[in-house]
Amino acid sequence: KQEVTQIPAALSVPEGENLVLNCSFTDSAIYNLQWFRQDPGKGLTSLLLIQSSQREQTSGRLNASLDKSSGRSTLYIVASQPGDSATYLCAVISNQAGTALIFGKGTTLSVSS
Amino acid sequence: DTGVSQDPRHKITKRGQNVTFRCDPISEHNRLYWYRQTLGQGPEFLTYFQNEAQLEKSRLLSDRFSAERPKGSFSTLEIQRTEQGDSAMYLCASSLSSGLDSPLHFGNGTRLTVT
Repeated sequence: KQEVTQIPAALSVPEGENLVLNCSFTDSAIYNLQWFRQDPGKGLTSLLLIQSSQREQTSGRLNASLDKSSGRSTLYIVASQPGDSATYLCAVISNQAGTALIFGKGTTLSVSS
Repeated sequence: DTGVSQDPRHKITKRGQNVTFRCDPISEHNRLYWYRQTLGQGPEFLTYFQNEAQLEKSRLLSDRFSAERPKGSFSTLEIQRTEQGDSAMYLCASSLSSGLDSPLHFGNGTRLTVT
């Protein structure tokens, strides 16, 4: 059974720092990995989608890497801003139909000004 | 693209009552998903539609839960005889094609509280 773990559970940094969020998954047979952002009481916003054949994806100040063989993904945030404060969730798709995302519990990020 | 909309945003009900939630996906998206999220946890998959066909259901979807997507447009999720354990955020998502290559777009959810 696929399990997704995110470390750390919470992170507090001052504005301007570069930071790293980690995601690991137990079964390397994934089709893709996605990173989402969730603001309190809101739904999820898709940030990056990495296909299993890809090593990384970049969008603005965000960069996500994928090491499928070791079951790990890393989300880098460059020059963090208070507006980046949110919960970041990692999810994988392990079935070929691409229907069911399996999520981690998330990392709650707080960026202070 | 007006995004995925869910109604109501909040629902408080007494144990034993039935509740129904609605989801309007992005108009051109043929795939629709329901997830449930409890506090401090990631969302858990409940069910999935391709157009009007419900193609997959999680074991989490007990007999008290039923979902429909008539005409392949909006979807409803009904919970019968609600229990306190049903209290959660119910999230709807849609995608243009296979979740393998197109990201899911989530709504803001319906927060259910069962008293």
